[in-house]
Amino acid sequence: GIQVEQSPPDLILQEGANSTLRCNFSDSVNNLQWFHQNPWGQLINLFYIPSGTKQNGRLSATTVATERYSLLYISSSQTTDSGVYFCAVEHTNAGKSTFGDGTTLTVKP
Amino acid sequence: DTEVTQTPKHLVMGMTNKKSLKCEQHMGHRAMYWYKQKAKKPPELMFVYSYEKLSINESVPSRFSPECPNSSLLNLHLHALQPEDSALYLCASSQPPAYYNSPLHFGNGTRLTVT
Repeated sequence: GIQVEQSPPDLILQEGANSTLRCNFSDSVNNLQWFHQNPWGQLINLFYIPSGTKQNGRLSATTVATERYSLLYISSSQTTDSGVYFCAVEHTNAGKSTFGDGTTLTVKP
Repeated sequence: DTEVTQTPKHLVMGMTNKKSLKCEQHMGHRAMYWYKQKAKKPPELMFVYSYEKLSINESVPSRFSPECPNSSLLNLHLHALQPEDSALYLCASSQPPAYYNSPLHFGNGTRLTVT
């Protein structure tokens, strides 16, 4: 099956700092999503981004499908950004999404 | 507010009990999913229903039995579970896999403890 690798596994930031999270995948994909899981377990859909660039407030994401990676940018981080960020990809014709292991982000005040 | 609703939020059950987890969506999606998530791990796919038919079973033990009564509802029936089955169970919905523009939408999950 498709391999999904996220880096870094853990990230600690001071409030106000910027960060870049990476997701590498081993094969062609139909779609790619970024999620934020908060401490209560809620999985929040951040971006649906099989290719190209999208922005939503302080967050933006870029997927370069031909090079099999996606980046999530968080600017001016806030303590509420803490949690686990997952990348999930749907391998072409697989009919299902596979999650990476996630990046655990801690933003300190 | 989440558009995928799961009940109950928390469930404690003994190994001899029978219980059910419920999931409902009103987004017009025709695919629904059950995922299991252990602490500090990513969600793992269990089952996929597409157009109310089971399309993927990821070799899940038979003590977990899914049911899709209609396009809006998804149940997971639990029987004779083991303590290692304790986890967060997440329901999701989307347009059918491989459909253009089919992001997953998750419910808030049911936190299950098996004693």
